[in-house]
Amino acid sequence: KNQVEQSPQSLIILEGKNCTLQCNYTVSPFSNLRWYKQDTGRGPVSLTIMTFSENTKSNGRYTATLDADTKQSSLHITASQLSDSASYICVVSEEAGTALIFGKGTTLSVSS
Amino acid sequence: SAVISQKPSRDICQRGTSLTIQCQVDSQVTMMFWYRQQPGQSLTLIATANQGSEATYESGFVIDKFPISRPNLTFSTLTVSNMSPEDSSIYLCSVGGTSGGHNEQFFGPGTRLTVL
Repeated sequence: KNQVEQSPQSLIILEGKNCTLQCNYTVSPFSNLRWYKQDTGRGPVSLTIMTFSENTKSNGRYTATLDADTKQSSLHITASQLSDSASYICVVSEEAGTALIFGKGTTLSVSS
Repeated sequence: SAVISQKPSRDICQRGTSLTIQCQVDSQVTMMFWYRQQPGQSLTLIATANQGSEATYESGFVIDKFPISRPNLTFSTLTVSNMSPEDSSIYLCSVGGTSGGHNEQFFGPGTRLTVL
C-alpha cells in the first residue's frame, strides 16, 4: 500500500533556529514529491515540488531534499520566524494519473 | 495559480441535517477535487468533480452521502448529507493547474464543519 510517513508529528523551536522535517514514502512508481505549508484555518499552499531526478529545491528559507533511492525527503527551514508556525505536509504523486498520497503532516510551532 | 474561495468557512450543524459547501474558482478548470481532512489525519480525496458528468468517488465515499454538483468550469458544490459527529472535519476544494512547469494542485481555504 502506498504510504507517506512524516516525522516528527510535532515540533517546537525558538525563533531564529533551524529545523528539519522528515518524510519517508513507499509510493512506487513515483512521479514527484511536494511539500505544502498549511496555516491554521487555511488550505495547503505549495512550497516545493521535485521530480524523480531532482535532489534539492529551495524556496526562500525553505530547502527540500530528495533521495529517491532511499525514498526519503526532508524539508529544512532556516532562521525560523513566527510566521513559520503551521502544519507541513509531504505529498507524493503516483507516476500514472493524478493520485496524490498525503502525509499526516508535521505541526511546527515557532516561539519567541 | 488559481484563486479558490469556499463558503461557508465554518459551520456547526446538528446531526441528521445536511450542509452544502460551495467552491468558486477565478478561472475555468477542467478538474476539481473535494478532500476531507479529519483532525490529526492526512487529506483524503472524496471525489473528482467532472463538469457535465457525474462525480467520480473514491473508495469509501458514496454519492448518497456526498452528492456533488459541477454546473460549470468555475463552480462546484459538495453536500454532506444526514450528518453525524464523525463527519466533523475540514472539507477542502482543490483544482489542478500548472506552476513553474509542473502540474500542481491548488487548494481552497477549507470549510471547518462541526457536527453536534
